[in-house]
Amino acid sequence: AQSVTQLGSHVSVSEGALVLLRCNYSSSVPPYLFWYVQYPNQGLQLLLKYTTGATLVKGINGFEAEFKKSETSFHLTKPSAHMSDAAEYFCAVSDRGNQGGKLIFGQGTELSVKP
Amino acid sequence: EPEVTQTPSHQVTQMGQEVILRCVPISNHLYFYWYRQILGQKVEFLVSFYNNEISEKSEIFDDQFSVERPDGSNFTLKIRSTKLEDSAMYFCASTQRLSTDTQYFGPGTRLTVL
Repeated sequence: AQSVTQLGSHVSVSEGALVLLRCNYSSSVPPYLFWYVQYPNQGLQLLLKYTTGATLVKGINGFEAEFKKSETSFHLTKPSAHMSDAAEYFCAVSDRGNQGGKLIFGQGTELSVKP
Repeated sequence: EPEVTQTPSHQVTQMGQEVILRCVPISNHLYFYWYRQILGQKVEFLVSFYNNEISEKSEIFDDQFSVERPDGSNFTLKIRSTKLEDSAMYFCASTQRLSTDTQYFGPGTRLTVL
């Protein structure tokens, strides 16, 4: 069965500092990987996704993530945090063999950005 | 930009009552999903729906739950007899294709069972 682990339920950074949110997955087949962001009282918005091809994926708002098969990881980074980045971030995996297309989510990481 | 909408935004009900949560997916999307998020916990898959039938359902999606696409636009989740543990945020999502395509999420319905 697939699973996703996000290390750290809360991460706090200073404005302008590097953001690193960690995600490791478990899958018996090469997965599709996603990062979603959830702002307060809103739904989930896709930041970026990896399906095939280049392992370094760029997304919206300056975020990027690198798929590392050997480490079963898909960590999310942003070189310089902005106050508006404060939100909950979810890593998710989808089994490319799964005809239903369901997403399996990690437990989420709340990002705080200090002035 | 097209978006998924959900109504109501907040539903309060008594234990044992039936509730229907409504979603309007993006118009040209073919695959529909319900997820839930209990406060402080991860987002969990409930059910996927395609071509007017359930494609996959989780263990959570027992006989108390049902889904329906009653017309060409709405997608509903019905809970027949609500329990306290059904209190959660329920998200609807839709996608045009499977797996590689982005699932677009609605803003959610917060269900509170008293």
